[in-house]
Amino acid sequence: GQQLNQSPQSMFIQEGEDVSMNCTSSSIFNTWLWYKQDPGEGPVLLIALYKAGELTSNGRLTAQFGITRKDSFLNISASIPSDVGIYFCAGQGNPSGGSNYKLTFGKGTLLTVNP
Amino acid sequence: GAVVSQHPSRVICKSGTSVKIECRSLDFQATTMFWYRQFPKQSLMLMATSNEGSKATYEQGVEKDKFLINHASLTLSTLTVTSAHPEDSSFYICSAWGAADTQYFGPGTRLTVL
Repeated sequence: GQQLNQSPQSMFIQEGEDVSMNCTSSSIFNTWLWYKQDPGEGPVLLIALYKAGELTSNGRLTAQFGITRKDSFLNISASIPSDVGIYFCAGQGNPSGGSNYKLTFGKGTLLTVNP
Repeated sequence: GAVVSQHPSRVICKSGTSVKIECRSLDFQATTMFWYRQFPKQSLMLMATSNEGSKATYEQGVEKDKFLINHASLTLSTLTVTSAHPEDSSFYICSAWGAADTQYFGPGTRLTVL
């Protein structure tokens, strides 16, 4: 089945530093998504990527959809304490067929920001 | 927009009882909703896809008779954990298919079975 490899598994950084995390897949996805999950809450959508090579920003967040449709990265610039949480990548849909609704999640990156 | 709510946010029940969790799309209609479970320090695992007016589609390994799903309206799906056991204790999260052609997640329900 489809699997997403997300790295790093965890990060411990100082406030103000930039952060980068990435995901790779053995399969192609139509859409790539990045979510943030706070403790005891559901995931919140940060950025959605629809086109291969697409680079999208949302405030201090920047994400890119790889040209091969098998990878993506998320950058957070000038981190602040409220950036703490778990970040998940997710792939949605497959050009070869199957459900376009299902999400396949990475295992998450736990981000800790030291004030 | 695209707000999804869940009720209750947390529930504690005795082993052998049944628990119902509601998932509502508050400001949009969702013909398709999803139910996930998440164990501590792990990712979300899809349990089933809930389709309004039809039977749910369950993922491999998920017992449909234990996890009953009903999607009776375009804004409400329910998950009932029947004859709950301690190993069913988990964080259950629903999502709804909405604008931007993707899923919007509820805040989750923490189930503890004693």
